[in-house]
Amino acid sequence: QKEVEQNSGPLSVPEGAIASLNCTYSDRGSQSFFWYRQYSGKSPELIMSIYSNGDKEDGRFTAQLNKASQYVSLLIRDSQPSDSATYLCAVNVLRFNKFYFGSGTKLNVKP
Amino acid sequence: GAVVSQHPSRVICKSGTSVKIECRSLDFQATTMFWYRQFPKKSLMLMATSNEGSKATYEQGVEKDKFLINHASLTLSTLTVTSAHPEDSSFYICSASTVREETQYFGPGTRLLVL
Repeated sequence: QKEVEQNSGPLSVPEGAIASLNCTYSDRGSQSFFWYRQYSGKSPELIMSIYSNGDKEDGRFTAQLNKASQYVSLLIRDSQPSDSATYLCAVNVLRFNKFYFGSGTKLNVKP
Repeated sequence: GAVVSQHPSRVICKSGTSVKIECRSLDFQATTMFWYRQFPKKSLMLMATSNEGSKATYEQGVEKDKFLINHASLTLSTLTVTSAHPEDSSFYICSASTVREETQYFGPGTRLLVL
């Protein structure tokens, strides 16, 4: 069983729609959660971090965390073609001092 | 803030030579740096974790004698690929984090091609 699971996609949404990206993790000791965006040929860039249950909003992005269900998601409102990228979910398990990354979900936003 | 640089961005070398890649945190002190490699259309693969002033911790299956990591200061870590072979061709990415903030900030990556 992988530490972090993501649907590889591709997830296709029309421009202006809400894109919903999901991630599950296996280690209940996970304490912090991150979403990164990676454009093709580039390195990951941080979008959001979330540490406690509930929602966290930043502009068009909302991260949602449910530790009981071991589930974290990212919502992108008013999706733009420039949001087309691979989105990586990362989980930090402090006792191991490293991140576990999902394999990423490829998002395509169609104009 | 939280800018990480890597140098070089791209390198082509002959088989059997060694290549050094530098990773620098430009505006913060990185207590921990991580090295990843990524093959086309694949996810990140953690190679090793390095803490300033101590030996790197390598992931299972990563040869520490082949991938030498040095974390000499709080702003610089280097990865040396020794006796490179074509199968070492990949995208190498470093990241850095601090004790205060768990977030990892990634460098722009180094694309290595071994001929």
